[in-house]
Amino acid sequence: NAGVTQTPKFQVLKTGQSMTLQCAQDMNHNSMYWYRQDPGMGLRLIYYSASEGTTDKGEVPNGYNVSRLNKREFSLRLESAAPSQTSVYFCASRVRALTEAFFGQGTRLTVV
Amino acid sequence: AQTVTQSQPEMSVQEAETVTLSCTYDTSENNYYLFWYKQPPSRQMILVIRQEAYKQQNATENRFSVNFQKAAKSFSLKISDSQLGDTAMYFCAFMISGGSNYKLTFGKGTLLTVNP
Repeated sequence: NAGVTQTPKFQVLKTGQSMTLQCAQDMNHNSMYWYRQDPGMGLRLIYYSASEGTTDKGEVPNGYNVSRLNKREFSLRLESAAPSQTSVYFCASRVRALTEAFFGQGTRLTVV
Repeated sequence: AQTVTQSQPEMSVQEAETVTLSCTYDTSENNYYLFWYKQPPSRQMILVIRQEAYKQQNATENRFSVNFQKAAKSFSLKISDSQLGDTAMYFCAFMISGGSNYKLTFGKGTLLTVNP
């Protein structure tokens, strides 16, 4: 049982390049989330999807877009990467009936 | 909006001793959940303990226990018999129960170092 899988684990981008971070969960969870983690800032919510077909902005959505492709997959896209988007990105999921959120292993993204 | 505050950026403790990490939160909601997550150097986020706001009894998981004071909006984590493997970043988190708000709000974290 893989849980929440994020790809890639590491990525270096040049300013202005675009990329998509992939996230998939095999636990049949309804809700999925994208967070970024920066030193001294904790985890901040970028976007979330309460259920398939819906997405909502979180605390820091600027510069990002998301797609809830199906119940399993929730991708995060950077259209034009900026150095301020250098961070560790986490995908998480949870089922509505439970409270616990399960996290992927994170993607360390560096924008130079 | 809900906020979570962890006032101790770093703490240290000697192996086998007890340490308490602080967390306060601000909300106007009455029904919610509180969590402590652990993030070791591997970067994996691991749930340590959860507390439902409607329960007066403090949650306990082996060496980990919480002191939940709803009126004071305080949710501290006590680690007993600290072990070297407890060295990690600890995050306090909050989530409203029910409705359409599924957001999990985190504090900025406390880096705990357990010294041999």
